[in-house]
Amino acid sequence: AQSVAQPEDQVNVAEGNPLTVKCTYSVSGNPYLFWYVQYPNRGLQFLLKYITGDNLVKGSYGFEAEFNKSQTSFHLKKPSALVSDSALYFCAVRDTGANNLFFGTGTRLTVIP
Amino acid sequence: EAQVTQNPRYLITVTGKKLTVTCSQNMNHEYMSWYRQDPGLGLRQIYYSMNVEVTDKGDVPEGYKVSRKEKRNFPLILESPSPNQTSLYFCASSPSGLAGGEQYFGPGTRLTVT
Repeated sequence: AQSVAQPEDQVNVAEGNPLTVKCTYSVSGNPYLFWYVQYPNRGLQFLLKYITGDNLVKGSYGFEAEFNKSQTSFHLKKPSALVSDSALYFCAVRDTGANNLFFGTGTRLTVIP
Repeated sequence: EAQVTQNPRYLITVTGKKLTVTCSQNMNHEYMSWYRQDPGLGLRQIYYSMNVEVTDKGDVPEGYKVSRKEKRNFPLILESPSPNQTSLYFCASSPSGLAGGEQYFGPGTRLTVT
């Protein structure tokens, strides 16, 4: 069975500071990992994904994420936060051979001016 | 413009009155899916479809039906809605199943069942 955990419901960071949004996962095979962002009153938008290859994945809007197999983690990072990054972030995982994507419960990021 | 559209965007209905939420995509994607979003629970998959006439249950299918008669459309049907189906619903599509592909989401449908 596949599952994903986002241990923080809320993350606050000052504008200009680095940000991290945490995600850990559990799968029986090899994971396909995704990050999505949801702005108010909008659908989810794809940010980045890890399928295979380099553990550091770069995505949209300056975000990146690092796949760590030993820690079963896929934390989302950005070197310098913007107020416009404030949104709800979802981590998602798909197990090898699975036909569905399993989402975490979301982390609300607030960037303080 | 490549997009996933949902209608209606907002719906208030009463218990037991059948309703359909439509979903359409113009990207020729094979894979389509329905999710519901609830506070503290994140997104949970209701049903998904790998292609025309191929549908399967997700994590929370009870009380819902779907059909996939055309590639572009994937309607969600609530035969007898109940208050616990009050939620925010999202339709999504993806090319070539989920083989490394990200999903494209619609704008959402906020459903209230009284």
